[in-house]
Amino acid sequence: QSALTQPASVSGSPGQSITISCTGSSSDVGAYRYVSWYQQHPGKAPKLVVYDVSNRPSGASFRFSGSKSGNTASLTISGLQSEDEADYYCSSYTSNSTRVFGSGTKVYVL
Amino acid sequence: EVQLVESGGGLVQPGGSLRLSCATSGFTFRSYSLSWVRQAPGKGLEWLAYISTNSASVYYADSVKGRFTVSRDNANNLLFLEMNRLRGEDTATYYCVKEQTPASWDLWGQGTLVTVSS
Repeated sequence: QSALTQPASVSGSPGQSITISCTGSSSDVGAYRYVSWYQQHPGKAPKLVVYDVSNRPSGASFRFSGSKSGNTASLTISGLQSEDEADYYCSSYTSNSTRVFGSGTKVYVL
Repeated sequence: EVQLVESGGGLVQPGGSLRLSCATSGFTFRSYSLSWVRQAPGKGLEWLAYISTNSASVYYADSVKGRFTVSRDNANNLLFLEMNRLRGEDTATYYCVKEQTPASWDLWGQGTLVTVSS
């Protein structure tokens, strides 16, 4: 049950688009469309921003979009805003019915 | 109001035990699978345990298997995490989470802090 691999940090200027990757294996990310993404601000509980690879829950900004190719899922934040500066985590369902998180990515808005 | 409220955290000595509770409201508790997730200070999220709607299916992360037990009380809308043989590396904020689809959690509690130290 190794954590999914995410870059430690990603940065961008306001208005730009950034993409965060989440790499797993054929036993988790590659096997199912059950990949989700969470945003966490300091001292707060995580918030779901994308589920089932590319679906947005009600209340999530349209600027968040998700995709998947093979064993790697991606979260794109378009029109980067200062409030997007936070930690982001992916999660996936796995072939033994467990769940696993990614290692986390710190997004900096320059 | 739709919410999850964890309780039961605190300071415990290594080797000790603790039972966390999660009180829920605002949704049909028995219709949803639930999990426990933790976050050590300054670290990332770690999924710990899953329980299905009728408790028939439970799954654990390797890091807690054999030490932690997840259970639920559908009559009283409660989720539990029994933690035994606690170690320093179990120090973390523990969240109960409501599962929308596998590995997507749309509702989080505020978390309860567990500190394992002598």
